[in-house]
Amino acid sequence: DQQVKQNSPSLSVQEGRISILNCDYTNSMFDYFLWYKKYPAEGPTFLISISSIKDKNEDGRFTVLNKSAKHLSLHIVPSQPGDSAVYFCAASEDAGGTSYGKLTFGQGTILTVHP
Amino acid sequence: ETGVTQTPRHLVMGMTNKKSLKCEQHLGHNAMYWYKQSAKKPLELMFVYNFKEQTENNSVPSRFSPECPNSSHLFLHLHTLQPEDSALYLCASSLFSGETQYFGPGTRLLVL
Repeated sequence: DQQVKQNSPSLSVQEGRISILNCDYTNSMFDYFLWYKKYPAEGPTFLISISSIKDKNEDGRFTVLNKSAKHLSLHIVPSQPGDSAVYFCAASEDAGGTSYGKLTFGQGTILTVHP
Repeated sequence: ETGVTQTPRHLVMGMTNKKSLKCEQHLGHNAMYWYKQSAKKPLELMFVYNFKEQTENNSVPSRFSPECPNSSHLFLHLHTLQPEDSALYLCASSLFSGETQYFGPGTRLLVL
């Protein structure tokens, strides 16, 4: 049973518009969430994170929202063609716990930003 | 060289071969990880090492044998693999366990 789900395998957006990538999770013990971006032939790159006690974290064009129960979203505004990549949502029970950094990943969403 | 490096980048092996994947991190981190990504599946954690000690084995078959001689190096020894073990194997590191993980580029493995 997948504990972290990204139900949209792909998303296509016009340059300059907003990209919204969604992530749902089932494990109520998760307390820290991360987004990674992956280009072909490269490893995932950390993008932004949020703890369960916050409802928003911003970093430049990227914002992660944690306002709905067991649901996260990553907003990219404005979207750029260079943002085209696979985006992974990940969750952890860590932050002081005993799970030693165990991340549970979603299956990823392929974002394509058209010029 | 900086970041997390992995060698080889591509590997083709037969089911009777023995090979090793190597990961090296130049970030001064103390925790290292092996992940597997099969086609159309999420990344799956395999092993976690914290200060050279294995702290997590996520029910990985014994044909995968990790080794962490020091905090900068991590190996994954492979023997008698199956075709279904073909996947992208990613190494990651973090300053301490539970902190943000930084990934290498991965080794794409094909088992024939």
